[in-house]
Amino acid sequence: ETGVTQTPRHLVMGMTNKKSLKCEQHLGHNAMYWYKQSAKKPLELMFVYNFKEQTENNSVPSRFSPECPNSSHLFLHLHTLQPEDSALYLCASSGKAYNTDTQYFGPGTRLTVL
Amino acid sequence: AQSVSQHNHHVILSEAASLELGCNYSYGGTVNLFWYVQYPGQHLQLLLKYFSGDPLVKGIKGFEAEFIKSKFSFNLRKPSVQWSDTAEYFCAVTPISSGSARQLTFGSGTQLTVLP
Repeated sequence: ETGVTQTPRHLVMGMTNKKSLKCEQHLGHNAMYWYKQSAKKPLELMFVYNFKEQTENNSVPSRFSPECPNSSHLFLHLHTLQPEDSALYLCASSGKAYNTDTQYFGPGTRLTVL
Repeated sequence: AQSVSQHNHHVILSEAASLELGCNYSYGGTVNLFWYVQYPGQHLQLLLKYFSGDPLVKGIKGFEAEFIKSKFSFNLRKPSVQWSDTAEYFCAVTPISSGSARQLTFGSGTQLTVLP
């Protein structure tokens, strides 16, 4: 049982659809992260939340909208995506953001945009 | 901004061969260094990390890494690989400096294939 769970594991959506990715951490951490993992490219940090407050947005297009209702849950709302947004989206958590704490990753959601 | 380079995109070894995966970073200050591993179909897992102290750190499953500050390197090693080590390996760096966001920056990964 991993400490960080993500649903769904796979998602196929059209460019006009609206969908949401969910992440839940069971580790008592205060910081949560969204990363994008594309083929042959380094993991890209998208958003950081620390104690439910967004502290980092790495120039992510507005068609990606994060939400963090509490320290255990993190969502990524998707709308009007492009085919180049197809990737593995990873959620991670750590004790605190911007600290020496290790980040623990979920299994990811494999997103395909048609 | 810092960056991380992993020199080998794909490494193929036979079982019992020795492994060394290169990782270099660009950042002039103090850093924390990590190696993560992603086994097929599994999530990213921490293999080992360096924060301070002995530059030779040991991780899980017989892996170790050496931090050489003068070379800005943190190479991963294992004396004898097994088929079960087949995975993708990621080096990551976070700078330690006051007043700046300590983002975890990843390299592009090295796919290791171990032939039985």
